[in-house]
Amino acid sequence: DAGITQSPRHKVTETGTPVTLRCHQTENHRYMYWYRQDPGHGLRLIHYSYGVKDTDKGEVSDGYSVSRSKTEDFLLTLESATSSQTSVYFCAIGGTGGPGYTFGSGTRLTVV
Amino acid sequence: AQSVTQPDIHITVSEGASLELRCNYSYGATPYLFWYVQSPGQGLQLLLKYFSGDTLVQGIKGFEAEFKRSQSSFNLRKPSVHWSDAAEYFCAVGAQGSGNTPLVFGKGTRLSVIA
Repeated sequence: DAGITQSPRHKVTETGTPVTLRCHQTENHRYMYWYRQDPGHGLRLIHYSYGVKDTDKGEVSDGYSVSRSKTEDFLLTLESATSSQTSVYFCAIGGTGGPGYTFGSGTRLTVV
Repeated sequence: AQSVTQPDIHITVSEGASLELRCNYSYGATPYLFWYVQSPGQGLQLLLKYFSGDTLVQGIKGFEAEFKRSQSSFNLRKPSVHWSDAAEYFCAVGAQGSGNTPLVFGKGTRLSVIA
C-alpha cells in the first residue's frame, strides 16, 4: 500500500477498556477516514478528517472519538469498548474527486 | 445524501465464464463511482472509477464497468473469470460538486469461482 499503515493489526480487549487505533500516512494527504467493516454491512464511515484538528462524524460515530494533531496521524479511540465494536477497522486516505481512496491493511479488533 | 445498493450478496461463477456484478446508486446529480476489490484478509484495492466522459471505463485485472445514468447503475463486468478473482467486491459512490463528502460504500458482493 502507498504509505498508509495501521497499528495494531490485531487486538483483543476486554469490555469496558479504552482502545486506540492508529493510522499513519506518509503521503501528506489532507483527508483521512475511519471505516468499520462488518458482515452484511459493508464499510460504514465512523469519522473523517479534512485537516489537522478538523474532524467530522460519520454514519456510525457513537462510542468513537478521533483526533488528528499531525497531518500524518489519525487516531480512533473507543472510550469504553463494547462487544458490538468487534469489527475490522480500515483507515483510508484520499479525496473523493481524486484517484480514489488508498486503504490501510486493517485492524481486527475483538472485544470480549 | 448519496447511497448505493449491491443487490447480490454472493455470486458463484465457473472459471472462464463471464461475470457481471450489479451496482445501483442514488444521487441527484452525476456521481463519482468506484469499484474496489478485497481479497481475504486484505485491504481494499481500487479496480476502476468513473468521473465523467466515456461511460465505459476500463480498470485493472481485465475489469470494466459501464455507467448508465438512466438506470442509475454502474455494473462491473469481466469477460472471462479467473480463479484468482474470487474476492469481495464493493461499489462506492461519491458526490460531485459538494466539497469532499466521503464515499459511501455498498454492502459488497462476494464472488466465488469454481472449476
